[in-house]
Amino acid sequence: DTAVSQTPKYLVTQMGNDKSIKCEQNLGHDTMYWYKQDSKKFLKIMFSYNNKELIINETVPNRFSPKSPDKAHLNLHINSLELGDSAVYFCASSQRGSGANVLTFGAGSRLTVL
Amino acid sequence: AQSVTQLDSHVSVSEGTPVLLRCNYSSSYSPSLFWYVQHPNKGLQLLLKYTSAATLVKGINGFEAEFKKSETSFHLTKPSAHMSDAAEYFCVVSLTDSWGKLQFGAGTQVVVTP
Repeated sequence: DTAVSQTPKYLVTQMGNDKSIKCEQNLGHDTMYWYKQDSKKFLKIMFSYNNKELIINETVPNRFSPKSPDKAHLNLHINSLELGDSAVYFCASSQRGSGANVLTFGAGSRLTVL
Repeated sequence: AQSVTQLDSHVSVSEGTPVLLRCNYSSSYSPSLFWYVQHPNKGLQLLLKYTSAATLVKGINGFEAEFKKSETSFHLTKPSAHMSDAAEYFCVVSLTDSWGKLQFGAGTQVVVTP
């Protein structure tokens, strides 16, 4: 009964490949996010969707394309992977209007680009 | 624009002694403030949150934080460290209406020695 689950947990791939990370939440939240944690553990928001609508897009290269088929799922597809894309990607969810923007995070997906 | 500064990148404490993690913020609005913890190779877990109610906030695992507007601080404390407290701690600020866009501090790594 994991609240926010991401797959895969680890992903190792070559430069130039295309890969996807999937996220699902069973909390009934209406908003989902992707955050990126770099090698220095700094976390920064990439995207946010509310009820399948993109509401935050933080100047991320267009090689990154989020897709939200429904409000319980938010996937991240990355084209033409580069070395600098190596990071841990965290999915999160929250309920708008529940107060204080409390996000529930998944366990992360560690992407290594060789 | 809001920002958050964690004043210590590393803190080392002995088991059973107090823990103090320092955080200063800047915000043009009344902020919501959080502390998240990340154990090695794990996701982010909410420790506590401040949302303009009581300035002394109690969280999980014996942690608490005090919001001091005059000092723009939100320091995290625990009276007695446990070995399981070894982790990375993030101070986070959010505008009250920012769709979950969180600004993370750079993190403080806590080491607990026996």
